[in-house]
Amino acid sequence: GAVVSQHPSWVICKSGTSVKIECRSLDFQATTMFWYRQFPKQSLMLMATSNEGSKATYEQGVEKDKFLINHASLTLSTLTVTSAHPEDSSFYICSARGVGGPRFSVNTIYFGEGSWLTVV
Amino acid sequence: AQSVTQLDSHVSVSEGTPVLLRCNYSSSYSPSLFWYVQHPNKGLQLLLKYTSAATLVKGINGFEAEFKKSETSFHLTKPSAHMSDAAEYFCVVSEGQAGTALIFGKGTTLSVSS
Repeated sequence: GAVVSQHPSWVICKSGTSVKIECRSLDFQATTMFWYRQFPKQSLMLMATSNEGSKATYEQGVEKDKFLINHASLTLSTLTVTSAHPEDSSFYICSARGVGGPRFSVNTIYFGEGSWLTVV
Repeated sequence: AQSVTQLDSHVSVSEGTPVLLRCNYSSSYSPSLFWYVQHPNKGLQLLLKYTSAATLVKGINGFEAEFKKSETSFHLTKPSAHMSDAAEYFCVVSEGQAGTALIFGKGTTLSVSS
């Protein structure tokens, strides 16, 4: 079936530095990708909706200058956490809605495996 | 606005007994509804989805859910729990339009004892 790959799976960075997380649709095209964050033992909170070739739409309360999202192609979206602080430590998950490819299902959203970010 | 309410934050069952995880939704339009499972420190796996076809939806691993519009519910059931079913379960709603994001419920932790 369709696969979404996130990289890296785990990352530790120093406070004040920036870290980039990639989300790739491996065998389908995704015009829309979504970024979520999940705190331990909590649900997923939608951060932003990323559309290929245009600016991302951020949810209320999410700082767009801190969480930079780029969706440069139909198979890649990136989330950059800028000037990271310990409170940004979280599990970040991307998902993609497929629009073209050999093994995808319309109206199904495929999730990546997630990326653990720890800021020390 | 769309939302989901998972009525139980924690459900405990014995192995071999039925599982019921309750979910109510709110949506302005005809919703698409999903159940996802998340095992510890893992990503999400789709169990099943409802997208305006049959109201009784069968998913993977013996799970099924019934869409009841009159009750705005989409409860998840399984006739016989297995130890491997212990995980976090999320009820999710989407209004089904292109590009519409999934909105997650707060999750239900399922514990299965032997």
